[in-house]
Amino acid sequence: GEDVEQSLFLSVREGDSSVINCTYTDSSSTYLYWYKQEPGAGLQLLTYIFSNMDMKQDQRLTVLLNKKDKHLSLRIADTQTGDSAIYFCAESIRKSDKIIFGKGTRLHILP
Amino acid sequence: EPEVTQTPSHQVTQMGQEVILRCVPISNHLYFYWYRQILGQKVEFLVSFYNNEISEKSEIFDDQFSVERPDGSNFTLKIRSTKLEDSAMYFCASSRSGSTDTQYFGPGTRLTVL
Repeated sequence: GEDVEQSLFLSVREGDSSVINCTYTDSSSTYLYWYKQEPGAGLQLLTYIFSNMDMKQDQRLTVLLNKKDKHLSLRIADTQTGDSAIYFCAESIRKSDKIIFGKGTRLHILP
Repeated sequence: EPEVTQTPSHQVTQMGQEVILRCVPISNHLYFYWYRQILGQKVEFLVSFYNNEISEKSEIFDDQFSVERPDGSNFTLKIRSTKLEDSAMYFCASSRSGSTDTQYFGPGTRLTVL
């Protein structure tokens, strides 16, 4: 079946790197996404990676994809208080229009 | 940067009433979607819409739900007779092409059914 799993909470000190992990089950994924949701706000597309890529870097964000283990991670370098949010891992799969979301990881920044 | 907009941001309704949630997708996008997020749960796909018809729908999208593109810019989700369990955040999304393209989400409408 289609499922995306991620841990629910992560606490990180300001200035450290945050690493949010995700696993998925469907091997026919086309894109894998990271969405950010700040309190009371919608889903902001943070970054995405094609399923045939291993890594994508975009400023402070690094996405790593291990397709064999069906494992996706998001690394945020030099974590700031503004990074405090819920981060959703998601995938799109072949022959379907839907995006399948994880439950979201709440990132808490410690001073 | 173009974005998806949704109105209202918060809708409160009585059980059994009809509600219409409105969305304006990004102007050059051709595929439109509705998702919902019940408090504390995952974001769930409801329906996709292309070329004036439903392309795909989930088992949640039963006869109580309908979608429409009444004009060249709006995309609506109607719930005919709301139930308490319809209380959720409803997100609209759009993409230029179908399942191989990135979906951009609106800010959501929080629906509260009393």
